[in-house]
This record gives sequence, C-alpha cells and structure tokens, in this order.
Amino acid sequence: EAGVAQSPRYKIIEKRQSVAFWCNPISGHATLYWYQQILGQGPKLLIQFQNNGVVDDSQLPKDRFSAERLKGVDSTLKIQPAKLEDSAVYLCASSLEQGTSPLHFGNGTRLTVT
Amino acid sequence: AQSVTQPDIHITVSEGASLELRCNYSYGATPYLFWYVQSPGQGLQLLLKYFSGDTLVQGIKGFEAEFKRSQSSFNLRKPSVHWSDAAEYFCAVRLGAGSYQLTFGKGTKLSVIP
Repeated sequence: EAGVAQSPRYKIIEKRQSVAFWCNPISGHATLYWYQQILGQGPKLLIQFQNNGVVDDSQLPKDRFSAERLKGVDSTLKIQPAKLEDSAVYLCASSLEQGTSPLHFGNGTRLTVT
Repeated sequence: AQSVTQPDIHITVSEGASLELRCNYSYGATPYLFWYVQSPGQGLQLLLKYFSGDTLVQGIKGFEAEFKRSQSSFNLRKPSVHWSDAAEYFCAVRLGAGSYQLTFGKGTKLSVIP
C-alpha cells in the first residue's frame, strides 16, 4: 500500500511569512494527525482529525497555526505568521481508526524559519 | 499528566553486541506502550506495541520489549545489533482505550560501530 505522502520535503522562510504543508494519508485511514518535532525532541501532537472533524487540537497554537481536512482525506497545515521557534519537522500520520490502530507516518516537512 | 522518560540521549554499541534502550513512563494505570524508530530524513516506523497480556512482546527487525509494571518500564532490546539499526528510537505512551493522544519520549540516538 502507498504510504503517507507529505509535501514539500523542505521549506525555508523568513519570520512573519506564511507557509502551508500538505498531507495525503493512506487510503481508507479515517484518522489523521499532525505532529511537530523540534530538533532533539520527540514528536508533539498538534492536531488530530477523525474524518473531517477535529478530535484534539489542545496543543495547536491557534493564533498562528490552522489545519483543515475538508473532504476527510488530505489535509493542510498552515502557519501564519511564522516565528523562529516554529523551525521543526512537521510530521503527518494516519491510522485506520483512533483506537488501537498503529500510526503510519510520512517522511515529514522540515521547516526552517530565518 | 502522562510522561515518558528516555534517560539515554545517545548510545553507541559495536555491531553484533546486545542492545537495551530504556523507557520509563509516569501514569497511574497501565497505558498502551509503543516503540518507534526513525532513520535520518524519514518518518517514524512502529517497531512494537504493548496493550495487555504477555509482558514480553516481539516486534519487527528482531526487536523485543518487556513491560515491567513494578518499574513502570518498557525497555527495548535486541540480542545482536546490525549496522542498519543505527537510528533514533522513540518510546511512546497512550493512556488507553478512548484516549487518543500519543506522548513521545525525547528519543535515544543509536550509533553502531562496525
């Protein structure tokens, strides 16, 4: 089966600019996650979708971050405006459902904010 | 709040030697426990998971982990390390059925000496 697809792989922007990341989960996976992985740390959940509804966005900085999954399939994560501390790898993952199904991760987008 | 501690930031072993990566969690009940591996520039891949039952679980690539309730630990082991095992390893915890958030440790980087 095809894995989780993410684009772009790398992005460099200046602070205060905006940026968007795209994720296409594994076909049939109802649950989609966005994680932020800062260098030297483990991934931190930003937002979780079940189909096109938000299950958990408690750790999403909503003043600058937004995410959507309009048709319950692919998703976009946006940062506007970006700050230096947003430099990280943004990982998308999907799972069949939100119980015991394992998460399948994409290769991530590495964002550098200068 | 649940937390995951991986006390070793970096471990170096010789190829063919045995390996043990430590993971401790902080939570009152038995959570769901996972080990993931991340190769450079890649997403995370699930090695193994523990939900209940036999406390020694087998995973992919010859890895195993043992859940010890008395020590709140879930250490990852491999009897003979291969050079291709060099990567970063993350322990993760989920509270249990009905809880969706996966909390990751900070990771242990494994280097393998040929």
